[in-house]
Amino acid sequence: AQTVTQSQPEMSVQEAETVTLSCTYDTSESDYYLFWYKQPPSRQMILVIRQEAYKQQNATENRFSVNFQKAAKSFSLKISDSQLGDAAMYFCAYRTYNNNDMRFGAGTRLTVKP
Amino acid sequence: GAGVSQSPRYKVAKRGQDVALRCDPISGHVSLFWYQQALGQGPEFLTYFQNEAQLDKSGLPSDRFFAERPEGSVSTLKIQRTQQEDSAVYLCASSPRNTGELFFGEGSRLTVL
Repeated sequence: AQTVTQSQPEMSVQEAETVTLSCTYDTSESDYYLFWYKQPPSRQMILVIRQEAYKQQNATENRFSVNFQKAAKSFSLKISDSQLGDAAMYFCAYRTYNNNDMRFGAGTRLTVKP
Repeated sequence: GAGVSQSPRYKVAKRGQDVALRCDPISGHVSLFWYQQALGQGPEFLTYFQNEAQLDKSGLPSDRFFAERPEGSVSTLKIQRTQQEDSAVYLCASSPRNTGELFFGEGSRLTVL
């Protein structure tokens, strides 16, 4: 079974600085998707960034980028120039091309200090 | 609608009552998922539909949980004889064909007293 591990229950960053959230996963598949979702206190999950495993280039979305290490099964999220609005729970998620469900990690609560 | 819509947003039930939670996915989305999210935890998979077919219900915690999507659009998650351990946020998500991303609703928070 696929599992997703986020080893940092909580992280804190100063406004305008950079923070990296860690994620590892376990799979025997070769083709899959990886995602980072953000869940603010209002509860709705919002996609931050996605990566397809066959792509070697790390995905980037404005201030958000990933470090995807397929051999190490690692998928970390870097947030640059952190803003107060980045404060939320962040979930790493994994989904194969063929499986029906998306597996989530336990989440990392990010606090942004002004 | 523009996004996934769930109702009710909040539900308080007495132990033993039956509840029904509704999900209206994004129009045209083939896949629909239900997740259970306990406080401070990540979402846990419950069940998955492709159109009207329930292809995976391996995450349903007991036979008190039942989900349906009879016309391949709106889905209902029903919990019979609710127990306190059923208290959680129930998230619905939909996905178009052949993409990985899920689009989530705001969830239904169930509190069982």
